Amino acid sequence: AQKVTQAQTEISVVEKEDVTLDCVYETRDTTYYLFWYKQPPSGELVFLIRRNSFDEQNEISGRYSWNFQKSTSSFNFTITASQVVDSAVYFCALSEYGNAGNMLTFGGGTRLMVKP
Amino acid sequence: EAQVTQNPRYLITVTGKKLTVTCSQNMNHEYMSWYRQDPGLGLRQIYYSMNVEVTDKGDVPEGYKVSRKEKRNFPLILESPSPNQTSLYFCASRDSKAYNYGYTFGSGTRLTVV
Repeated sequence: AQKVTQAQTEISVVEKEDVTLDCVYETRDTTYYLFWYKQPPSGELVFLIRRNSFDEQNEISGRYSWNFQKSTSSFNFTITASQVVDSAVYFCALSEYGNAGNMLTFGGGTRLMVKP
Repeated sequence: EAQVTQNPRYLITVTGKKLTVTCSQNMNHEYMSWYRQDPGLGLRQIYYSMNVEVTDKGDVPEGYKVSRKEKRNFPLILESPSPNQTSLYFCASRDSKAYNYGYTFGSGTRLTVV
């Protein structure tokens, strides 16, 4: 069965600090997809990144970066020089290619609070 | 604009009064799904549909019904809502092609059952 664990339920940082959100996943499939979503206070889900299981390259997008390590089944998300606007709940999610109907399995989310 | 539209955004109802949350997508996606979000639990899948007239249970289907009579619509039905169904609900859709694993979510429906 697939499972996603976000051990950090809440993180509080001061603006301009770097912060890393952890995500550990479990799957028996060799082909799978990992995602990060942001949920700001307004409630909608904002897609941040998708990574497939064959692509272990780290990715950087502005202040955001992602570290995918299959050896430790982790897909961690780092925000560099955090800003107040980064305050949100962040979800890591997994989708197995062989389980088409079970679209996404989400972690419990990490609430990030960035204080000025 | 490609989107998933849910209605209503907010709903307060009483225990036992049947309600329907609508979901419509304009991207011709085959797959659609409903999730509920509860604190600390993330989003959990309620039901999904792989195409018209094809639906199946997700992780938490009890107390819910769905139908998929048209490709674009996937309503969520609560025949007899109870307070433990108070939650934030999301509808999502995606294309069936393996090389395009993009998920599109609606804006959410916040349901309160009193």
